[in-house]
This record gives sequence, structure tokens and C-alpha cells, in this order.
Amino acid sequence: DSGVTQTPKHLITATGQRVTLRCSPRSGDLSVYWYQQSLDQGLQFLIQYYNGEERAKGNILERFSAQQFPDLHSELNLSSLELGDSALYFCASSPHRTSGQETQYFGPGTRLLVL
Amino acid sequence: GENVEQHPSTLSVQEGDSAVIKCTYSDSASNYFPWYKQELGKRPQLIIDIRSNVGEKKDQRIAVTLNKTAKHFSLHITETQPEDSAVYFCAAFNSGGGADGLTFGKGTHLIIQP
Repeated sequence: DSGVTQTPKHLITATGQRVTLRCSPRSGDLSVYWYQQSLDQGLQFLIQYYNGEERAKGNILERFSAQQFPDLHSELNLSSLELGDSALYFCASSPHRTSGQETQYFGPGTRLLVL
Repeated sequence: GENVEQHPSTLSVQEGDSAVIKCTYSDSASNYFPWYKQELGKRPQLIIDIRSNVGEKKDQRIAVTLNKTAKHFSLHITETQPEDSAVYFCAAFNSGGGADGLTFGKGTHLIIQP
């Protein structure tokens, strides 16, 4: 157990819908990262938040957004869902992103299936 | 941005033998290189990491080497056991002000033959 929690574990929804994935980081970690894992694209970085602020952006679609709340939990919002959005979504947390504090621990993931 | 190449994509070894997985990276600003093990349907689990000021790091049967000049790093697993069977991912990261998360290789499916 990494100490990072994610809910829900599984999500089945239809095209065009909107879903919210939730992540709670390890105690004391200020940085949260979101990743998407699919068979064709592998593990891809989406976005990072640090202490409530967006710090880095990767291959995140405009239909997707995220935020980090004062209690440091984070939510990833996926809207206008398409079949190709079906994937495993992981969040990871670290104390910071500076040297010595950048180790990322992953949560159990949310498996999203869009029908 | 950073690009990480990983090979082989599949590696089959006899139980007790050694396994080596190699990765190359493109961005010389990357300075942190973790390795993750992922079992089917589970989360990536950190097994070892190395920072650019170190050339080699060992933890029991697992070792990682880093060649900054050539921009490549490798994972070595000795005395392989059936529970080592999984997909292994290398990754690169810039902790000195980069604007990305971890950049992963495509993964290596390690199969330990009994």
C-alpha cells in the first residue's frame, strides 16, 4: 500500500458523459500528478498540482481538467467522453518535485470504460 | 520534451538467471531515473531509483546503473524468481525546474521461466 488512495476503482459510463476521479495523496505530500495508461499510448503524464496550484501540464486534452483542494486531495474531471478515453487513470504523489523529494508513489488507479 | 526508449519489450529468462533492461533518454536536463514494476491491473510500484550524481545503486538483487554521458540507464535483476514476473517501466524526470511529470518508457514484460 503506497498511502495514495483513489476513488472509484471502476467507472463505466457512456460517450458524451462527464466523470470525476478523486485522489488523496500520501500524508505530507504536497504534489499530485495524474497519469493515463492505455495499451496504445502507455503511461502518459497529464497534469501536476503543487499545494493547490497547477505546476506542469503534459498531454492533457482540453476536455479534461483538474484541481487540487486546500486539504490537498485532487480531482480529475473528464468531459464529453469518447471511446478512446477508456483507460486506467493513476494519480501519484510526492513531497515536492525538487531533488531528494521527487519520488512519486502511485495510487491503485481508476479503470474507466466508456461505452 | 523528453523521450525515453526502453528495450527489450519482452524478456524471458530462466529462474535463477539475471535480467537486464535498458533505457535511453534524450533530455540532458533529466536528473532523476526511477524504475517501476507493474503487475497486471495493479499500480506501478517503485522498486529502485537513481539520481544523476550517482553512477550505480544496489538494493539486494536489484541494481541500476546510469551513464550520463551516453544518456542511458539500466536495471539489473540477479537470481530471478517467479515473483519477478511483471512489466517493468523506466522513467526520466527533471527535478530542477522541469515542466513535466515522469516520462516513461514503453515497458518490458519480464517472464521468469521455471
